[in-house]
Amino acid sequence: DAGVTQSPTHLIKTRGQQVTLRCSPKSGHDTVSWYQQALGQGPQFIFQYYEEEERQRGNFPDRFSGHQFPNYSSELNVNALLLGDSALYLCASSPRGGNTEAFFGQGTRLTVV
Amino acid sequence: DAKTTQPPSMDCAEGRAANLPCNHSTISGNEYVYWYRQIHSQGPQYIIHGLKNNETNEMASLIITEDRKSSTLILPHATLRDTAVYYCIVRVGGGVETSGSRLTFGEGTQLTVNP
Repeated sequence: DAGVTQSPTHLIKTRGQQVTLRCSPKSGHDTVSWYQQALGQGPQFIFQYYEEEERQRGNFPDRFSGHQFPNYSSELNVNALLLGDSALYLCASSPRGGNTEAFFGQGTRLTVV
Repeated sequence: DAKTTQPPSMDCAEGRAANLPCNHSTISGNEYVYWYRQIHSQGPQYIIHGLKNNETNEMASLIITEDRKSSTLILPHATLRDTAVYYCIVRVGGGVETSGSRLTFGEGTQLTVNP
Protein backbone atom coordinates (compact mmCIF):
# COMPACT_ATOMS: atom_id res chain seq x y z
CA ASP A 1 0.00 0.00 0.00
CA ALA A 2 1.56 3.28 -1.16
CA GLY A 3 -0.28 5.38 1.38
CA VAL A 4 -1.12 8.97 0.46
CA THR A 5 0.92 10.25 -2.46
CA GLN A 6 1.29 13.87 -3.52
CA SER A 7 2.82 15.46 -6.57
CA PRO A 8 4.93 17.34 -7.26
CA THR A 9 7.17 17.39 -4.17
CA HIS A 10 8.50 20.87 -4.86
CA LEU A 11 7.28 23.69 -7.06
CA ILE A 12 8.34 27.26 -7.79
CA LYS A 13 5.81 29.68 -9.28
CA THR A 14 5.71 33.37 -10.04
CA ARG A 15 3.30 35.74 -8.34
CA GLY A 16 0.02 35.92 -10.27
CA GLN A 17 0.34 32.46 -11.78
CA GLN A 18 -1.91 29.49 -11.15
CA VAL A 19 -0.89 26.13 -9.68
CA THR A 20 -2.41 22.64 -9.45
CA LEU A 21 -1.36 20.14 -6.82
CA ARG A 22 -2.36 16.48 -6.87
CA CYS A 23 -3.16 13.85 -4.26
CA SER A 24 -3.91 10.14 -4.37
CA PRO A 25 -5.52 8.88 -1.16
CA LYS A 26 -4.65 5.72 0.70
CA SER A 27 -6.34 2.64 -0.73
CA GLY A 28 -9.84 2.28 0.69
CA HIS A 29 -10.19 5.94 1.67
CA ASP A 30 -12.90 8.07 0.06
CA THR A 31 -12.40 11.39 1.85
CA VAL A 32 -9.61 13.84 1.10
CA SER A 33 -8.70 17.02 2.97
CA TRP A 34 -6.17 19.67 2.07
CA TYR A 35 -4.05 21.72 4.46
CA GLN A 36 -1.71 24.68 4.16
CA GLN A 37 1.26 24.82 6.52
CA ALA A 38 3.27 28.01 6.69
CA LEU A 39 6.79 27.87 8.09
CA GLY A 40 6.77 27.40 11.87
CA GLN A 41 3.00 26.97 12.13
CA GLY A 42 0.60 24.07 12.40
CA PRO A 43 -1.33 22.91 9.32
CA GLN A 44 -4.45 24.93 8.53
CA PHE A 45 -7.51 23.18 7.07
CA ILE A 46 -8.43 24.38 3.56
CA PHE A 47 -11.28 22.08 2.51
CA GLN A 48 -12.53 18.52 2.42
CA TYR A 49 -13.94 16.45 -0.42
CA TYR A 50 -15.98 13.31 -0.59
CA GLU A 51 -18.37 11.98 -3.23
CA GLU A 52 -16.69 14.44 -5.61
CA GLU A 53 -18.04 17.50 -3.80
CA GLU A 54 -16.56 20.05 -1.41
CA ARG A 55 -18.16 19.30 1.95
CA GLN A 56 -16.36 21.54 4.42
CA ARG A 57 -14.20 24.59 3.99
CA GLY A 58 -11.82 26.49 6.21
CA ASN A 59 -11.13 30.21 6.17
CA PHE A 60 -9.51 30.44 2.73
CA PRO A 61 -10.43 32.71 -0.19
CA ASP A 62 -12.09 31.56 -3.39
CA ARG A 63 -8.69 31.57 -5.09
CA PHE A 64 -8.34 28.15 -3.50
CA SER A 65 -10.46 25.55 -5.24
CA GLY A 66 -10.43 21.82 -5.59
CA HIS A 67 -11.74 18.78 -7.31
CA GLN A 68 -12.22 15.13 -6.51
CA PHE A 69 -12.33 12.46 -9.18
CA PRO A 70 -14.36 9.23 -9.26
CA ASN A 71 -11.27 7.28 -8.15
CA TYR A 72 -11.15 9.53 -5.02
CA SER A 73 -7.97 11.31 -6.07
CA SER A 74 -8.01 15.07 -5.68
CA GLU A 75 -6.53 18.31 -6.96
CA LEU A 76 -5.94 21.61 -5.23
CA ASN A 77 -5.90 24.70 -7.47
CA VAL A 78 -4.68 28.10 -6.42
CA ASN A 79 -5.22 31.08 -8.72
CA ALA A 80 -3.53 34.48 -8.74
CA LEU A 81 -0.71 33.32 -6.52
CA LEU A 82 0.54 35.64 -3.80
CA LEU A 83 3.90 35.56 -2.06
CA GLY A 84 2.01 34.58 1.10
CA ASP A 85 0.81 31.38 -0.55
CA SER A 86 4.31 29.96 -0.17
CA ALA A 87 3.87 26.99 2.14
CA LEU A 88 3.83 23.22 2.49
CA TYR A 89 0.54 21.88 1.15
CA LEU A 90 -0.57 18.65 2.74
CA CYS A 91 -3.19 16.16 1.67
CA ALA A 92 -4.85 13.82 4.17
CA SER A 93 -7.21 10.94 3.54
CA SER A 94 -9.49 8.82 5.69
CA PRO A 95 -12.61 6.70 5.39
CA ARG A 96 -15.76 8.72 5.94
CA GLY A 97 -17.45 8.49 9.30
CA GLY A 98 -16.38 7.03 12.58
CA ASN A 99 -13.38 7.76 14.75
CA THR A 100 -10.73 7.11 12.18
CA GLU A 101 -7.25 8.45 11.92
CA ALA A 102 -6.08 10.53 8.99
CA PHE A 103 -3.14 9.56 6.83
CA PHE A 104 -1.07 12.40 5.47
CA GLY A 105 1.08 12.65 2.40
CA GLN A 106 4.58 14.11 2.46
CA GLY A 107 3.32 17.37 1.06
CA THR A 108 4.13 19.72 -1.81
CA ARG A 109 6.48 22.59 -1.03
CA LEU A 110 5.24 25.62 -3.01
CA THR A 111 7.44 28.67 -3.33
CA VAL A 112 5.99 31.81 -4.90
CA VAL A 113 8.56 34.33 -6.12
CA ASP B 1 -13.81 21.60 17.96
CA ALA B 2 -12.47 22.45 21.40
CA LYS B 3 -9.26 24.44 21.74
CA THR B 4 -6.14 22.81 23.18
CA THR B 5 -3.14 24.26 25.03
CA GLN B 6 0.32 22.69 24.90
CA PRO B 7 3.76 23.83 26.07
CA PRO B 8 5.77 25.14 23.11
CA SER B 9 8.80 22.97 23.78
CA MET B 10 10.10 20.10 25.91
CA ASP B 11 13.35 18.18 26.22
CA CYS B 12 13.83 14.53 27.08
CA ALA B 13 16.86 12.27 27.50
CA GLU B 14 17.15 9.32 25.16
CA GLY B 15 15.78 6.15 26.75
CA ARG B 16 13.67 8.01 29.26
CA ALA B 17 9.91 8.44 29.16
CA ALA B 18 8.59 11.58 27.47
CA ASN B 19 5.38 12.93 28.99
CA LEU B 20 3.65 15.54 26.85
CA PRO B 21 0.75 17.39 28.49
CA CYS B 22 -2.31 18.91 26.84
CA ASN B 23 -5.11 21.00 28.31
CA HIS B 24 -8.56 20.89 26.72
CA SER B 25 -10.80 22.34 29.42
CA THR B 26 -13.70 23.09 27.05
CA ILE B 27 -13.94 19.58 25.64
CA SER B 28 -17.46 18.28 25.00
CA GLY B 29 -18.80 14.85 25.81
CA ASN B 30 -18.66 13.65 22.20
CA GLU B 31 -15.17 14.96 21.44
CA TYR B 32 -12.16 12.69 21.18
CA VAL B 33 -8.54 13.52 21.95
CA TYR B 34 -6.14 12.77 19.09
CA TRP B 35 -2.37 13.00 18.99
CA TYR B 36 -0.30 13.45 15.86
CA ARG B 37 3.35 14.21 15.39
CA GLN B 38 5.28 15.84 12.58
CA ILE B 39 8.91 15.16 11.98
CA HIS B 40 10.65 18.02 10.23
CA SER B 41 9.38 18.60 6.67
CA GLN B 42 7.25 15.45 6.64
CA GLY B 43 3.47 15.01 6.80
CA PRO B 44 1.87 14.57 10.23
CA GLN B 45 1.69 11.03 11.56
CA TYR B 46 -1.15 9.64 13.66
CA ILE B 47 -0.11 8.38 17.10
CA ILE B 48 -3.15 7.55 19.19
CA HIS B 49 -6.64 8.74 20.17
CA GLY B 50 -9.15 8.21 22.96
CA LEU B 51 -12.46 9.34 24.42
CA LYS B 52 -12.26 8.83 28.18
CA ASN B 53 -10.39 5.64 28.87
CA ASN B 54 -6.63 5.37 28.83
CA GLU B 55 -5.31 3.95 25.59
CA THR B 56 -2.08 2.20 24.64
CA ASN B 57 -0.66 1.09 21.31
CA GLU B 58 2.75 0.17 19.97
CA MET B 59 3.81 3.81 19.76
CA ALA B 60 2.52 5.44 22.94
CA SER B 61 0.08 5.63 25.83
CA LEU B 62 -2.65 8.22 26.27
CA ILE B 63 -3.78 9.13 29.76
CA ILE B 64 -7.00 11.19 29.98
CA THR B 65 -8.02 12.67 33.31
CA GLU B 66 -11.35 11.66 34.79
CA ASP B 67 -12.89 15.09 34.09
CA ARG B 68 -11.43 14.90 30.53
CA LYS B 69 -10.08 18.42 30.78
CA SER B 70 -6.49 17.36 30.19
CA SER B 71 -4.46 14.48 28.85
CA THR B 72 -0.87 13.25 28.68
CA LEU B 73 0.85 11.47 25.83
CA ILE B 74 3.56 9.12 27.05
CA LEU B 75 6.40 7.84 24.90
CA PRO B 76 7.80 5.15 27.22
CA HIS B 77 11.37 4.98 25.91
CA ALA B 78 12.11 8.03 23.78
CA THR B 79 14.64 7.74 20.97
CA LEU B 80 16.32 10.39 18.83
CA ARG B 81 13.82 9.56 16.08
CA ASP B 82 11.01 10.76 18.35
CA THR B 83 12.23 14.35 17.99
CA ALA B 84 9.24 16.07 16.37
CA VAL B 85 6.40 18.53 16.88
CA TYR B 86 3.56 16.82 18.76
CA TYR B 87 0.00 18.03 18.22
CA CYS B 88 -2.89 17.43 20.59
CA ILE B 89 -6.22 17.77 18.76
CA VAL B 90 -9.78 17.54 19.99
CA ARG B 91 -12.44 16.67 17.48
CA VAL B 92 -15.99 15.39 17.30
CA GLY B 93 -16.08 11.69 16.62
CA GLY B 94 -18.58 9.43 14.93
CA GLY B 95 -21.37 10.07 12.47
CA VAL B 96 -21.42 9.55 8.73
CA GLU B 97 -20.83 13.21 7.99
CA THR B 98 -17.61 13.42 9.94
CA SER B 99 -14.22 12.37 8.78
CA GLY B 100 -10.93 11.83 10.48
CA SER B 101 -9.22 13.96 7.87
CA ARG B 102 -10.73 17.25 9.17
CA LEU B 103 -8.43 18.35 11.99
CA THR B 104 -7.77 21.65 13.77
CA PHE B 105 -4.06 21.93 14.55
CA GLY B 106 -2.61 24.29 17.14
CA GLU B 107 1.06 25.16 17.52
CA GLY B 108 2.02 21.85 19.12
CA THR B 109 4.96 20.95 21.36
CA GLN B 110 8.45 20.68 19.94
CA LEU B 111 9.92 17.62 21.65
CA THR B 112 13.69 17.31 21.45
CA VAL B 113 15.20 14.01 22.51
CA ASN B 114 18.83 14.45 23.54
CA PRO B 115 21.50 11.73 23.46
